[in-house]
Amino acid sequence: DAGITQSPRYKITETGRQVTLMCHQTWSHSYMFWYRQDLGHGLRLIYYSAAADITDKGEVPDGYVVSRSKTENFPLTLESATRSQTSVYFCASSEPRTDPKNIQYFGAGTRLSVL
Amino acid sequence: GQNIDQPTEMTATEGAIVQINCTYQTSGFNGLFWYQQHAGEAPTFLSYNVLDGLEEKGRFSSFLSRSKGYSYLLLKELQMKDSASYLCAVRDSTSGTYKYIFGTGTRLKVLA
Repeated sequence: DAGITQSPRYKITETGRQVTLMCHQTWSHSYMFWYRQDLGHGLRLIYYSAAADITDKGEVPDGYVVSRSKTENFPLTLESATRSQTSVYFCASSEPRTDPKNIQYFGAGTRLSVL
Repeated sequence: GQNIDQPTEMTATEGAIVQINCTYQTSGFNGLFWYQQHAGEAPTFLSYNVLDGLEEKGRFSSFLSRSKGYSYLLLKELQMKDSASYLCAVRDSTSGTYKYIFGTGTRLKVLA
């Protein structure tokens, strides 16, 4: 049971480049989330998705694009990377239909450096 | 608006008890979570409260008062492995879907 996996785990890129972070879960959870974690800010929600083809903005969506064509995948794209997007990115999933607590389960994270 | 406050850092001794407080303001409260995050790792679920009162799970307990917008996480019989960040998070259902707002986390250091 793979659970929720993120790739790559580490990425170095240059300003202006497009970068896509991948997130894949094997539980068929309906909800998926993208967060970034920076010192002093904690986890901040970028985008989330309640089901395939449904996405919504979180607290800090500017500069990011998401899609959810399949339930199990929720890629996050930085269209033109900036240094301020250097961060650790976490993907999470949850399922309110079968879990009354609707607990979020997190991937291992992607550490992104934009030079 | 939505806001969650928790102390930045706490220090305690092995074997002791520590209480980490969390206050929140949110319009569509739908539950409060505590997560543990060791350095360089992903957050993992610790506890959940949606009704007022105390939830106990082994050495960890969490309390919620919805009228006061207040929660705490109580850790008993502290062990060195409890050194980690503890994240308070509120689930909000204002928009008709579920989203989560996290506090900045409390870094707990357990000293021998």
